[in-house]
Amino acid sequence: QQPVQSPQAVILREGEDAVINCSSSKALYSVHWYRQKHGEAPVFLMILLKGGEQKGHEKISASFNEKKQQSSLYLTASQLSYSGTYFCGTRTPNAGNNRKLIWGLGTSLAVNP
Amino acid sequence: NAGVTQTPKFQVLKTGQSMTLQCAQDMNHNSMYWYRQDPGMGLRLIYYSASEGTTDKGEVPNGYNVSRLNKREFSLRLESAAPSQTSVYFCASVEGAYEQYFGPGTRLTVT
Repeated sequence: QQPVQSPQAVILREGEDAVINCSSSKALYSVHWYRQKHGEAPVFLMILLKGGEQKGHEKISASFNEKKQQSSLYLTASQLSYSGTYFCGTRTPNAGNNRKLIWGLGTSLAVNP
Repeated sequence: NAGVTQTPKFQVLKTGQSMTLQCAQDMNHNSMYWYRQDPGMGLRLIYYSASEGTTDKGEVPNGYNVSRLNKREFSLRLESAAPSQTSVYFCASVEGAYEQYFGPGTRLTVT
C-alpha cells in the first residue's frame, strides 16, 4: 500500500537534472510532493490531482499518470537549495472525508557545487 | 501568523515517564495530524483529527493518546514512555485535501 519511490538517493552537480518517481499498487486520487531539509519539517512542493489539475508554488514540475498509478517529479537545472529528502504522499479515490496520505520512504537528493 | 507551533522542541524522558506534546495552529484548519519520523521509515501517522471533536487511529497508535482540545489545538500524550518511542514527532494541519503545514517538530529521546 505504501508508494515506492525511486531512486533512493541521487547525487547531482549544480545545473544537472533529476527525476524522482513515485509508484503505487493502488489507484490514486492525488499525489503530493514534499521536500525536507536536514533537521527541518517537510515543506509542500506540489499536488497533482486525478484529472490533471496541478497545484504548486515552486519552479518544479511534475507529472501524474493515472493509468500507471505513478507520478514523477522533475528537477531541472538543479540548485544547491534543492538538496534534501523528497517524499511523495498518495491519496486513494475511496478515501472519502479521510484526508490521510500514505507516504513513501523518501528520495535523498544532494546537489554539489 | 505563526502557522503550526509545537512544544517542546526537545525532550529527554526516562522509561515509564509520561509527557504531552502540544500542537497549535492559527490557520483555522479543520484537520490535524500527528506523525513520527524515524531514520529510513519516512512519515508514519500516529493519530489524526478530521475535525474538532473527532480523532482516529493512524498506522502506529499503540502507546499514544490524543486530545483535540478545540479547533486550534491537538495534543499527543505518551502515558508510559518506552525507548521504541524515541523519534522526531511532527504535527501538521490541513484544510481540504491540499497542502499539509508541518510544525517544526519535537525531538524525543527515551532512555
